[in-house]
Order: sequence, then structure tokens, then C-alpha cells
Amino acid sequence: DSGVTQTPKHLITATGQRVTLRCSPRSGDLSVYWYQQSLDQGLQFLIQYYNGEERAKGNILERFSAQQFPDLHSELNLSSLELGDSALYFCASSPREGNPYEQYFGPGTRLTVT
Amino acid sequence: ILNVEQSPQSLHVQEGDSTNFTCSFPSSNFYALHWYRWETAKSPEALFVMTLNGDEKKKGRISATLNTKEGYSYLYIKGSQPEDSATYLCALEDSSYKLIFGSGTRLLVRP
Repeated sequence: DSGVTQTPKHLITATGQRVTLRCSPRSGDLSVYWYQQSLDQGLQFLIQYYNGEERAKGNILERFSAQQFPDLHSELNLSSLELGDSALYFCASSPREGNPYEQYFGPGTRLTVT
Repeated sequence: ILNVEQSPQSLHVQEGDSTNFTCSFPSSNFYALHWYRWETAKSPEALFVMTLNGDEKKKGRISATLNTKEGYSYLYIKGSQPEDSATYLCALEDSSYKLIFGSGTRLLVRP
């Protein structure tokens, strides 16, 4: 158990809908990262937050947005969902910025868009 | 577009064999190189983060080296065990803190 929690574990929804994925980092970790694992692609970095501020942006679609709250938990919002958004979404956390630290991954949320 | 490549794509070895994998990356904008171990139905688990050219890190039977000038890292497993069976991912972290993952090396260790 990495100490990173993600909810829900599974999510099934229809095309065009909007969902919110939630992540709680390890106690004391200030950075949160979101990743997407699709069937036909490797692990894709979406976005990073550090202490509430966006730190780095990867291949995140405009239909997707994220934020990190004052209590450091983070949410990833996916809207106008398409079949191709079906994937495993991971959240990871690390202690702080400045130096590259190991990232601790949560168990993931499996999203199925029908 | 930065590209991280891993080889081989998959590897089958016998228990007790030693093995190694390669991660190749563009050396421009290098910030750090991460190695992860990813077992089926679990989450990626961090093995190493390396930043300096010539860096060597070790964790039990697993070790890694880094060459930032030529853009490669090796992961070594000594005396492979069936529990080492997993996908081993490397990821380049660039100077803007973005991470680019390779597609991984799938290792199967036969008892």
C-alpha cells in the first residue's frame, strides 16, 4: 500500500457525460501527478500540481481539467466523454519539488465509457 | 517530441539467470531518469530516481546505471526470481518536470 488513495475504483458512464476522479496523496506529500493508461498506449503523463499550483502539463486534453485543493487532495475532471477516454487513470504523489523524488502511485480508477 | 525507448520489449528467463534491460532517451533537457516496477493488476512501484551522469543505484538484487551524455540507462537484475516477473518502466523527467514513459520491458521469470 503506497498511502495514495483514489476513488472510485471503477466507473462506468456513457459518452457525453462528465466524471470526477479523486486522489488523496500520501501524508505530507505536496506534489500530485495524474496519468492515463489506455489499452493501446503506454503510461501517459497528464498533469502535475504542487501545493495547489499547476506545475507541469503533459498530454492532457482540453476536455480534461484538474485541480489541487488546500488540503492537497486533487480531482481530475473529464467532460464530454468519448469511447477513447476509457482507460486506467492513476494518481501519484511525491514529497516536494526542487529535486526529483520517487513517485508513489495510487491503485488507479478504471473508467469505462460506453 | 521526446521519445523514450526500452528494449527488449519482453524477456523470458530462467530462475537464477541474471538479466538487463536498456532505456534510451534524448539527452537534451534531461532532469532525471525514473525506473518503475509494474506488476499485473497493481500500481507502478518506484525503484530508482537518478540524476547524475555515472550514477549507480542498487536495491537488493536490482541495480541501475545512468549515462546522460549518451542518453541511456541500464537496469540489472541478478539471480532473477519468479517474483521479479513484472513490467519494468523507465521515464524521462525533463527540465519542465514533464515525464515521458517508455513502453516497458515485460520480464517473465520461469521457475
